Amino acid sequence: KAGVTQTPRYLIKTRGQQVTLSCSPISGHRSVSWYQQTPGQGLQFLFEYFSETQRNKGNFPGRFSGRQFSNSRSEMNVSTLELGDSALYLCASSADGGFTEAFFGQGTRLTVV
Amino acid sequence: DAKTTQPPSMDCAEGRAANLPCNHSTISGNEYVYWYRQIHSQGPQYIIHGLKNNETNEMASLIITEDRKSSTLILPHATLRDTAVYYCIVSTMTTDSWGKFQFGAGTQVVVTP
Repeated sequence: KAGVTQTPRYLIKTRGQQVTLSCSPISGHRSVSWYQQTPGQGLQFLFEYFSETQRNKGNFPGRFSGRQFSNSRSEMNVSTLELGDSALYLCASSADGGFTEAFFGQGTRLTVV
Repeated sequence: DAKTTQPPSMDCAEGRAANLPCNHSTISGNEYVYWYRQIHSQGPQYIIHGLKNNETNEMASLIITEDRKSSTLILPHATLRDTAVYYCIVSTMTTDSWGKFQFGAGTQVVVTP
């Protein structure tokens, strides 16, 4: 079956702009989690959605937001971009949120200039 | 705060077993030990998980000490494709932890010919 698809793969934005990233989970999976990966901080949890509801949230400012649609596809939005938001953004999907069967996408590489 | 401690790097000869240690001295009774790996520029990949018994699958074996304060991931016959960062994570399987793994710095494993 198809894996987790993240679009776009690469993105360049200017400071102050906003950006929306998309994640299509594996068919049948209802949980989508988002992570930010930077060289300095490593992989950090942003938030997790399950059946269109945000179930868990990490310690990121309110500029980072997300949503999940009825077909389980998820989007994350970052407003008022800062240089420090440059990172690889990864999403993971699983049937119920547990990590025994979680699958990560290839990520979206965001560069803020 | 990180719940696990791993060596930052290790080398392994191709064809030999790779033994990756992880210390999780503050693990609680309902926390599982998970191992993931991340090959350069890809999303993390699930390897194996366990609670207290040793586990084996087609990728690796997981040995957890009796007091559960440490574990070892064993890659029985390392190949060049096993070069990656390996993450040891402890987490419960309760709803409030689903989706939000706390990744540490991991161990960079380099398999050499």
